[in-house]
Amino acid sequence: AQSVTQPDIHITVSEGASLELRCNYSYGATPYLFWYVQSPGQGLQLLLKYFSGDTLVQGIKGFEAEFKRSQSSFNLRKPSVHWSDAAEYFCAVGEGTYKYIFGTGTRLKVLA
Amino acid sequence: GAVVSQHPSRVICKSGTSVKIECRSLDFQATTMFWYRQFPKQSLMLMATSNEGSKATYEQGVEKDKFLINHASLTLSTLTVTSAHPEDSSFYICSAGDTGTDTQYFGPGTRLTVL
Repeated sequence: AQSVTQPDIHITVSEGASLELRCNYSYGATPYLFWYVQSPGQGLQLLLKYFSGDTLVQGIKGFEAEFKRSQSSFNLRKPSVHWSDAAEYFCAVGEGTYKYIFGTGTRLKVLA
Repeated sequence: GAVVSQHPSRVICKSGTSVKIECRSLDFQATTMFWYRQFPKQSLMLMATSNEGSKATYEQGVEKDKFLINHASLTLSTLTVTSAHPEDSSFYICSAGDTGTDTQYFGPGTRLTVL
C-alpha cells in the first residue's frame, strides 16, 4: 500500500542550527515527491518538489531535499534555521495532479 | 506563481444551516480540485476530488449528500456543508491541480464553526 511516514512528530532546534526533517515513502512506481509548509491557521505552501533528474532539489526559503531511491526517503534540510521557519511541515507523494498521500506532519519549534 | 483563493476564510453558522465555501484558481485553469479537512494538530484528510463538469469522487466515509461539491468551471469549485452540525466544525482546505506543473496548489483554508 502507498504510504508516507514522517517519523518525527515534533522537532525543536535553536535558531541558526541546521535542520533535517525525515520523510519515508512506500510507492509502487516512481513517485512525485513534495514538501509543503503550513503556518498556524493557514493553507499549505509548496516548498519544493521532485519529479525526476537531479536528486538534490532546491526550494524556497533556503530549503533543499534529497531523493534517495535506495532508502525510499526524501528528507528536507536547511543549513541555518530562522525563527520564522517555525511551522508544520508535510511530506507528500503523488502522481501529477492526482491524489496526494500526505504524511502526518512534523511540527518545528525554533528556540531563540 | 500559482495562486488559489478560498472564501470565506472564517464562517460561523447555526446548527442546521448550510454553508458554501468557494475555491478559485486565480492564474491557472484547474480541471481537478481537491477538498481536504484538517482537525487540530493533524494531517490533511482528503474528502473528495472534484473534476470540472463531472461528479465529484468522494473518499470512503465522506457523506456525499452532506458535503456537496460543484466544479462548474475550470477556475471554481464549491463545497457546501448541508445541515451543518457542531461536529462539522473544522478547517477546510482546497487545492487545485495545475497540469502545467503537475502540482497541487493549496488555498488558505476556511475555518468553519457550527454553533
